[in-house]
Amino acid sequence: DQQVKQNSPSLSVQEGRISILNCDYTNSMFDYFLWYKKYPAEGPTFLISISSIKDKNEDGRFTVFLNKSAKHLSLHIVPSQPGDSAVYFCAASGRGGGADGLTFGKGTHLIIQP
Amino acid sequence: EAGVAQSPRYKIIEKRQSVAFWCNPISGHATLYWYQQILGQGPKLLIQFQNNGVVDDSQLPKDRFSAERLKGVDSTLKIQPAKLEDSAVYLCASSLDLGSSTDTQYFGPGTRLTVL
Repeated sequence: DQQVKQNSPSLSVQEGRISILNCDYTNSMFDYFLWYKKYPAEGPTFLISISSIKDKNEDGRFTVFLNKSAKHLSLHIVPSQPGDSAVYFCAASGRGGGADGLTFGKGTHLIIQP
Repeated sequence: EAGVAQSPRYKIIEKRQSVAFWCNPISGHATLYWYQQILGQGPKLLIQFQNNGVVDDSQLPKDRFSAERLKGVDSTLKIQPAKLEDSAVYLCASSLDLGSSTDTQYFGPGTRLTVL
């Protein structure tokens, strides 16, 4: 069963507008959530994270929102730029006992249109 | 600061052959992870090391996959014998802190394995 779900395989947004990427999770043990960005032929690159004790974290153009009751998080990018075109992975951790491997969603391919 | 290094970058083998991948984590990082990413999926954790001890290998297919991290630095992941469904990108990641779920994992570029 998929514990982290990204239901939109792709998303197309015009340059300068807001991009909103969504992620849902099912495991209530998760207490830390991350977004990674991936370009072709490269490994995932850490973008932004949020702890379960917060509901918002902001870093420049990137903001992550967490709704624990709904088990939902979203990544907002504003304004969107051509270099933001990439695959974005939502990931979660916090299984306890020192085991901190990430559980990833399938990713959303963001395409920024000029 | 140098990132996570992996080699080879690409490997093509026949089914039932053996293959090994190498990872050198960021200097000073105590925790090392191997992930498998099948096309169209997100990375899936195979094994987590803390220094040279295994923390979690619950998703490692132990009948054919093995991994070691001698001296708590470099790591190798081996598949023996390979199956067609092992075709994937194998990603290595490392993180600094010991057992912290809030610690950032840094990924290498991956090794793309094709099994024919």
